[in-house]
Amino acid sequence: AQKITQTQPGMFVQEKEAVTLDCTYDTSDQSYGLFWYKQPSSGEMIFLIYQGSYDEQNATEGRYSLNFQKARKSANLVISASQLGDSAMYFCAMREGEWGAQKLVFGQGTRLTINP
Amino acid sequence: GAVVSQHPSWVICKSGTSVKIECRSLDFQATTMFWYRQFPKQSLMLMATSNEGSKATYEQGVEKDKFLINHASLTLSTLTVTSAHPEDSSFYICSASEMKNTEAFFGQGTRLTVV
Repeated sequence: AQKITQTQPGMFVQEKEAVTLDCTYDTSDQSYGLFWYKQPSSGEMIFLIYQGSYDEQNATEGRYSLNFQKARKSANLVISASQLGDSAMYFCAMREGEWGAQKLVFGQGTRLTINP
Repeated sequence: GAVVSQHPSWVICKSGTSVKIECRSLDFQATTMFWYRQFPKQSLMLMATSNEGSKATYEQGVEKDKFLINHASLTLSTLTVTSAHPEDSSFYICSASEMKNTEAFFGQGTRLTVV
C-alpha cells in the first residue's frame, strides 16, 4: 500500500501566486515525521520543511508552510508568492518512528512549473 | 546545515565493470547513511541502510551481492555497483543525518550510465 500519495503529477502556476502541493500519508505509528524536498533538474534534494507528528503548530520556513491536518493524514505544502526559481520537482516524504533513523518513504512527486 | 558530499556526480561505464560511489558527511558523524535510487521521472526508492561498522540492511528486491555497501567510518559510506548492466543506469543518491537532527541531508547524487 502506498504510504505517501501525491495526486498532482504536474502543477502550473503564475508567478507571484501562491500554490498548494498535496500530500497524504498512511501510517499506524504515533510518532512520525513529514518532510518536503525540492529537486531541481540538477538532481540534488533540497530540504524545505519538516513537521513532526506531535507538533501542534504548522511548520513554516520563509515562503514555505506546511498545512498539517493530522486527522485527515494530510501534509500539504504551501508556497507563497511563487518565483520562477521554484520550478522543480517536489517530493513529500515520511519518516516512521522516532527521529534518529532517517529512512524516508517518498511520494511520487509533483512537477511544479512557474509561468512568468 | 550539515553537508553531505557524494562523488562522482556522474559516471559512464562499460557493461560488466564495477563502479564505486562515495558518500561523505563533511561536518558531522553519521552512524547511519541511506542509499536511494531514482529512475527517470520516478521517485526515490530506498535501496539500503548503511550502518557504520556492521552489515548494511537491504530493502526487499535489492540484490546485496550486486550493490555492495561499505560503511567503514563515521563519515564515509561507499556503494559499489558490481558487474553493471544497462538496466542499472539510474540516479543514485545518499543521505545521512546526525542522530538528534530532524532532517536528512542528501548528497548531490550520482548519475550512472552503463553502456
